[in-house]
Amino acid sequence: QKEVEQDPGPLSVPEGAIVSLNCTYSNSAFQYFMWYRQYSRKGPELLMYTYSSGNKEDGRFTAQVDKSSKYISLFIRDSQPSDSATYLCAMSVYNTDKLIFGTGTRLQVFP
Amino acid sequence: GAVVSQHPSWVICKSGTSVKIECRSLDFQATTMFWYRQFPKQSLMLMATSNEGSKATYEQGVEKDKFLINHASLTLSTLTVTSAHPEDSSFYICSARGPGLAGGLRKSSYNEQFFGPGTRLTVL
Repeated sequence: QKEVEQDPGPLSVPEGAIVSLNCTYSNSAFQYFMWYRQYSRKGPELLMYTYSSGNKEDGRFTAQVDKSSKYISLFIRDSQPSDSATYLCAMSVYNTDKLIFGTGTRLQVFP
Repeated sequence: GAVVSQHPSWVICKSGTSVKIECRSLDFQATTMFWYRQFPKQSLMLMATSNEGSKATYEQGVEKDKFLINHASLTLSTLTVTSAHPEDSSFYICSARGPGLAGGLRKSSYNEQFFGPGTRLTVL
């Protein structure tokens, strides 16, 4: 079993839709949870991070962590064509450098 | 700010040759740099962590004699794939991190890694 599982998609939605992206994990020691966005031929860019359980909101983006279910989500409200990218979840154990990534979900928002 | 570049962006080489990939932090001092590898439809996998002036720490299963990492300055790390073979064909991506909270680039409790755009290596 992989430490982090993520549906690769692709996920295609119309502009304005609410997008839900998810990852599950198996290592209960993970405490930092990140979402990265990666455009084609670019490096991943950190969108949001959360520490432990709970919700975090930043503009149109909301990150949720449910440690009891080992499940994290990223919600994108009012999705835009410019949101079309691959979204990667990543996790790490507290006080370590090692990031464990999901495979990424390719999102396409069409006008 | 916080830009990381990689060179080359893609390279094609013959089996048995060595290939060097450069990773540079353009506008900050990277005390720590990381090298990742990504095979098609798979996750980014950490290969090694390097601190400036120290030997790199390799992840389990990564051959240190095959993947030579040098982090000689606070803005440059290199990855050399020695005697490359077709199974080494992959997407290699580096990331860089600043010195920590006091000198961190963000007002956060998370010391972020900033990623380069990656290098596509194809070994024939």
